[in-house]
Amino acid sequence: NAGVTQTPKFQVLKTGQSMTLQCAQDMNHNSMYWYRQDPGMGLRLIYYSASEGTTDKGEVPNGYNVSRLNKREFSLRLESAAPSQTSVYFCASSYSSSYNEQFFGPGTRLTVL
Amino acid sequence: AQTVTQSQPEMSVQEAETVTLSCTYDTSESDYYLFWYKQPPSRQMILVIRQEAYKQQNATENRFSVNFQKAAKSFSLKISDSQLGDAAMYFCASSGGSNYKLTFGKGTLLTVNP
Repeated sequence: NAGVTQTPKFQVLKTGQSMTLQCAQDMNHNSMYWYRQDPGMGLRLIYYSASEGTTDKGEVPNGYNVSRLNKREFSLRLESAAPSQTSVYFCASSYSSSYNEQFFGPGTRLTVL
Repeated sequence: AQTVTQSQPEMSVQEAETVTLSCTYDTSESDYYLFWYKQPPSRQMILVIRQEAYKQQNATENRFSVNFQKAAKSFSLKISDSQLGDAAMYFCASSGGSNYKLTFGKGTLLTVNP
């Protein structure tokens, strides 16, 4: 099992450009999440998908959109990147809320110039 | 709403010694879970230990154990016989019942000195 995979690992964008971060899990988990990690801030939830077909906002959703493409895949889109979105992005998945143990991908380091 | 506070931005320990990382939390949920995650320089988030709030017994995983004080809303992590590979950022996190969201503290950077 690969667990949770994310692509790309690194990305540099110019202000105003768009891009999509891809995430996939092969653990048959129902729930998936996107976090961002900034120095001194811990991890903050951007969006989550409790189950296939549903998505909800987290703590810091502004400037992002998500798509739960199927049970395995959950993508994060930046429509018009801003320097404030420079961060490390983590995707995670969990079986259900009853367990709440989340498994994380390796992260994507995004720099917006 | 849930909040998680880690009051120690940095800690250091000598190899083979014991260190305790502090965490306090606040939640309105009656059913919740608490976690410690480790993030080494590789950036990968690794679950260290997990505690169900309804269990009075403190969780242990090999050299890692917690001191869960429910009334005080305290959840500290004890690392025994510290090893160089334990050097990492440690995050305390909480989640509640049907609430899917994990709330993280800001982390404690642990240095292990040889």
